[in-house]
Amino acid sequence: GQQLNQSPQSMFIQEGEDVSMNCTSSSIFNTWLWYKQEPGEGPVLLIALYKAGELTSNGRLTAQFGITRKDSFLNISASRPSDVGIYFCAGPDSNYQLIWGAGTKLIIKP
Amino acid sequence: EAQVTQNPRYLITVTGKKLTVTCSQNMNHEYMSWYRQDPGLGLRQIYYSMNVEVTDKGDVPEGYKVSRKEKRNFPLILESPSPNQTSLYFCASSFKGGPGELFFGEGSRLTVL
Repeated sequence: GQQLNQSPQSMFIQEGEDVSMNCTSSSIFNTWLWYKQEPGEGPVLLIALYKAGELTSNGRLTAQFGITRKDSFLNISASRPSDVGIYFCAGPDSNYQLIWGAGTKLIIKP
Repeated sequence: EAQVTQNPRYLITVTGKKLTVTCSQNMNHEYMSWYRQDPGLGLRQIYYSMNVEVTDKGDVPEGYKVSRKEKRNFPLILESPSPNQTSLYFCASSFKGGPGELFFGEGSRLTVL
């Protein structure tokens, strides 16, 4: 079945650094979704991508729908303590159910 | 305020004692879904519902039941809980026909002793 490989698994960064994470699929996706989960809460949608090559921003976050339709990238500029959490990528399978990456845990060094 | 509400948020129970986790959304969403989240395994779908009276199994349905008698409610039922169902559970909903852009509840942490 379809799988999403998300990397890196975790990131330890200094406040102010830029962050980059990605998600790859074994098959083509028509939609890419990026969610963030903060401790003790449910995931919250950050960015939705619907078109190959699309680049979308949400404040300091930028996500891109890879041209091959098998990958997507999420970048965070000038990281802040409030960016701490787990970032998930997701995309719908042939039954329109979401497949999820395992997540990238972002930790800000004090 | 638009939200997905789950109850209880925390529950400790014993093996075999039936329990229900309720989920309600106030956004008139057609699609609702239940997930469990376990360390190292990410989010796994248990059941989903495309609309009232329409439910389907997700990836890990064993040991769970659901019902969708009304559009706003989608309870998760554990008829005979076992320790391997100890997990963090999330309910989610979406206004589109499929999963689309999901809105999640705050989660229900269940411990089965």
